Amino acid sequence: DAEITQSPRHKITETGRQVTLACHQTWNHNNMFWYRQDLGHGLRLIHYSYGVQDTNKGEVSDGYSVSRSNTEDLPLTLESAASSQTSVYFCASSESNTYRTEAFFGQGTRLTVV
Amino acid sequence: SQQGEEDPQALSIQEGENATMNCSYKTSINNLQWYRQNSGRGLVHLILIRSNEREKHSGRLRVTLDTSKKSSSLLITASRAADTASYFCASRGSSARQLTFGSGTQLTVLP
Repeated sequence: DAEITQSPRHKITETGRQVTLACHQTWNHNNMFWYRQDLGHGLRLIHYSYGVQDTNKGEVSDGYSVSRSNTEDLPLTLESAASSQTSVYFCASSESNTYRTEAFFGQGTRLTVV
Repeated sequence: SQQGEEDPQALSIQEGENATMNCSYKTSINNLQWYRQNSGRGLVHLILIRSNEREKHSGRLRVTLDTSKKSSSLLITASRAADTASYFCASRGSSARQLTFGSGTQLTVLP
């Protein structure tokens, strides 16, 4: 069965370190997204990609970057981790088809910056 | 800030009762979707309603959409303890592929 997986599931890192969260999907979806979830804010969009070599900034992109070298993967990098980036991060993917726009989510990565 | 806002933020009901959650959004949409999130898990898609639809059903779920008021509601009928979860609405803009999520409603169904 097709799926979307995130790794690691839990990560503790120190302030100032570079951290990369992995996201891998086997749906063959063109669209991939990274969201962060914080209490009281729901999910906020960090970065998204509509296909290979395409990346776009979302609502809360400062301090984050992504790259899309193939269809399956969209790693999220925190250039210099800050305590404000402690959060739960979700990766999602969806088809490009206008009529099939539901998103499929990974299980999330809980990141703690100390 | 989130485009979608939901109310109530929390809802507690008895098993067998109906649960209604509301969502508002700010810009024109292509469709509106509802997702469920169990504690510690990812979001799971429940139902999608397009901008030219007013009502949609799926099992015990009923979604309505009022584009003139920029609002939607999710009704879960005959709720079960297993329905306990957070529910989020997500809007897809007319010219975008990404979803904008609301802040969610935490539903607790008491046995």
